[in-house]
Amino acid sequence: NAGVTQTPKFQVLKTGQSMTLQCAQDMNHEYMSWYRQDPGMGLRLIHYSVGAGITDQGEVPNGYNVSRSTTEDFPLRLLSAAPSQTSVYFCASSYSGEARYEQYFGPGTRLTVT
Amino acid sequence: KNQVEQSPQSLIILEGKNCTLQCNYTVSPFSNLRWYKQDTGRGPVSLTIMTFSENTKSNGRYTATLDADTKQSSLHITASQLSDSASYICVVRGEYSGAGSYQLTFGKGTKLSVIP
Repeated sequence: NAGVTQTPKFQVLKTGQSMTLQCAQDMNHEYMSWYRQDPGMGLRLIHYSVGAGITDQGEVPNGYNVSRSTTEDFPLRLLSAAPSQTSVYFCASSYSGEARYEQYFGPGTRLTVT
Repeated sequence: KNQVEQSPQSLIILEGKNCTLQCNYTVSPFSNLRWYKQDTGRGPVSLTIMTFSENTKSNGRYTATLDADTKQSSLHITASQLSDSASYICVVRGEYSGAGSYQLTFGKGTKLSVIP
């Protein structure tokens, strides 16, 4: 099992550029989510998905889009990057969203927008 | 507003010493509380989960306690090792927020440095 994988590990974008952060898991987990981690702040939920074809917004969804066409993949799209989106992005997955199931985090993508 | 406050923000201890990290929360209703370890440049990894009825849970040299009445939790690390240097994050799961998801509130973490 590779667990949760994320690509790329590092990315630098110019303001206004678009890109997709990739996330994949091989544990057949239904629940997947994207977080951002900023200095001095706790992780904040961007978007989440409870299964293929179903997504919903988290705490800080503006500027980001997601889709879930397969159980394994949950890409995060930045349509027009802004400096405020400079952050470390983590993808996570769990068997379901229920309380007793553990979330497994990917290694993160460090994004810098200039 | 649901909040999770961790203290101290950072801590430096000598290898072999013990330490205790604190987590206070205002999340209600409460479902469970997790402690995560996050090594630099890596994603968080779960250390332990505490439910309402549990007071103490151990995972090797890590022991977590929970007082649901005072809404406080602690993580005690015994006989620290250099590899314990990391950020420790307290996460409280609250109410069901619909569509199969539960609300999670993350603390800002305590950065622990273990020095030789």
